[in-house]
Amino acid sequence: GESVGLHLPTLSVQEGDNSIINCAYSNSASDYFIWYKQESGKGPQFIIDIRSNMDKRQGQRVTVLLNKTVKHLSLQIAATQPGDSAVYFCAEAYNQGGKLIFGQGTELSVKP
Amino acid sequence: GAVVSQHPSRVICKSGTSVKIECRSLDFQATTMFWYRQFPKKSLMLMATSNEGSKATYEQGVEKDKFLINHASLTLSTLTVTSAHPEDSSFYICSASGQTRAKNIQYFGAGTRLSVL
Repeated sequence: GESVGLHLPTLSVQEGDNSIINCAYSNSASDYFIWYKQESGKGPQFIIDIRSNMDKRQGQRVTVLLNKTVKHLSLQIAATQPGDSAVYFCAEAYNQGGKLIFGQGTELSVKP
Repeated sequence: GAVVSQHPSRVICKSGTSVKIECRSLDFQATTMFWYRQFPKKSLMLMATSNEGSKATYEQGVEKDKFLINHASLTLSTLTVTSAHPEDSSFYICSASGQTRAKNIQYFGAGTRLSVL
């Protein structure tokens, strides 16, 4: 069936270290993926997206990697800061603008 | 990123009353809006998809008569929880996407915390 899951429900990192959040998806027909950040009591905030014809995309301090062979998505955050503490969700869609299927989320905790 | 405003941010109501939640795209035309429900420490569950000027498409298991969705303009969608009961208490979040400035990315509102007494 369709599902997007995460390997680690919680991740604790030291301030300044790099963080890697992983996501597995099961639907090989998905061709668009997004990472969102959600702080407590707020709505998800768009971080970065990637289409299936790419395997890497970089933003400001963040990089998304897509491995279609093993249906794996990851979000790398460089020089993690306390403000990065939040729950991170990956989401997949059949096309950009279509219905999103969200993963279960990973809670990132940054230790000062 | 694009701005989506959701109002109210929090509402407490008595059982049996109806509650309306508004979702507005402030700086782009939202051809499609989505409504989600989120339980504590859980992921977002899509409730319905609405396109401007047409009826909403509800996900399996979501009661369309209980969760009324209206998308009357390209900048406004509303979700009305009718005859709310304590089990409807949850965090409701809307998102909007458009074909111009937002480039079909879903941008989310800040959410509405509904508590039914």
